[in-house]
Amino acid sequence: DQQVKQNSPSLSVQEGRISILNCDYTNSMFDYFLWYKKYPAEGPTFLISISSIKDKNEDGRFTVFLNKSAKHLSLHIVPSQPGDSAVYFCAASVVYGNKLVFGAGTILRVKS
Amino acid sequence: DTGVSQNPRHKITKRGQNVTFRCDPISEHNRLYWYRQTLGQGPEFLTYFQNEAQLEKSRLLSDRFSAERPKGSFSTLEIQRTEQGDSAMYLCASSPGLMAQYFGPGTRLTVL
Repeated sequence: DQQVKQNSPSLSVQEGRISILNCDYTNSMFDYFLWYKKYPAEGPTFLISISSIKDKNEDGRFTVFLNKSAKHLSLHIVPSQPGDSAVYFCAASVVYGNKLVFGAGTILRVKS
Repeated sequence: DTGVSQNPRHKITKRGQNVTFRCDPISEHNRLYWYRQTLGQGPEFLTYFQNEAQLEKSRLLSDRFSAERPKGSFSTLEIQRTEQGDSAMYLCASSPGLMAQYFGPGTRLTVL
């Protein structure tokens, strides 16, 4: 069963605009959520995380929002840049530092 | 470069052969994780270590797979009697305890 779902396989955004990537989860035991970015031929790179006790976490151009009641989180990138073009993975864990459960990823293309 | 390193980066083998991959984590990271990623999917958890102790193994890790971290530093993942279904990207990650995981570039395995 797919506990973490990224329902949009791809997203295309104009440079300078906002990119919004979405993620849904089914396991109510998940307590920590992370976003990773992956370029071709490289491993995933950690971007930002959020604990279930928060509903928002910001780091520069990246903001993650968590809606526990809806079991939904989103990553906002503002402003989007061409270098942001990559595959973005949402991941969750029951205990921070334990195994991660990943979604299938969303391909983001930022057009200049 | 003090990131996670993995060797080899690519491995082509014939069905039935044994293969071994190596992962060198970030220095002083006591947790080390192995994941497998196939095309169009997110990484799937295989196993993880805290120091030299293997704390959890996924049911994906059949008896043909074995992982070790003998001195709590580098780790090896061995696949015996490889099958075509083992073809995937094998990712290693490390973390300094209960923190985000940092991934290496992966080893791409092709079983002919």
